[in-house]
Amino acid sequence: AQSVTQPDIHITVSEGASLELRCNYSYGATPYLFWYVQSPGQGLQLLLKYFSGDTLVQGIKGFEAEFKRSQSSFNLRKPSVHWSDAAEYFCAVGGVDYKLSFGAGTTVTVRA
Amino acid sequence: GAVVSQHPSRVICKSGTSVKIECRSLDFQATTMFWYRQFPKQSLMLMATSNEGSKATYEQGVEKDKFLINHASLTLSTLTVTSAHPEDSSFYICSASTTETQYFGPGTRLLVL
Repeated sequence: AQSVTQPDIHITVSEGASLELRCNYSYGATPYLFWYVQSPGQGLQLLLKYFSGDTLVQGIKGFEAEFKRSQSSFNLRKPSVHWSDAAEYFCAVGGVDYKLSFGAGTTVTVRA
Repeated sequence: GAVVSQHPSRVICKSGTSVKIECRSLDFQATTMFWYRQFPKQSLMLMATSNEGSKATYEQGVEKDKFLINHASLTLSTLTVTSAHPEDSSFYICSASTTETQYFGPGTRLLVL
């Protein structure tokens, strides 16, 4: 069975500082990995995805993520956070049936 | 591209009534649509998977007679919450996909009084 762990429930970061959100997955084969962002009361927006190839993936809004098979991780990073990045972030893993398993989410608060 | 809409965005209904939620892929044809439920400050829980023209596949613990899903075309899926009760109040989100990537709708907030 596939599963995702996001160890950090809540992260507070200063505007302009760097951000890293952790994601660990469990899956028996090569996973499809995703990061989504959700603003309050909204649906999910795809930030980036990894299927194969280059393990450093660039996404929208200046985000990137690195797939590390040896650590079963797919951490999300942004070099300089903007106040508009305050949101809920979900890591997800998918398999051949295209179903997604989501992590519990990490709430990001940006302080001025 | 890859825009998914949901209607209505929020609905309030009386206990015992039925509510229909529409999910549309606006600029692509979705072979598969998914329905999720999200409780406050929690992650998404997959309710069911639907493929155009075939019966939906429900996740364990989801009552298929209560949550009726119809996937009539490659761009439209509907979720009907039948005989709604207050415990059905939640945020319902759909997604549409062609392959491995799911694109999500904005969600529907259901409040059952």
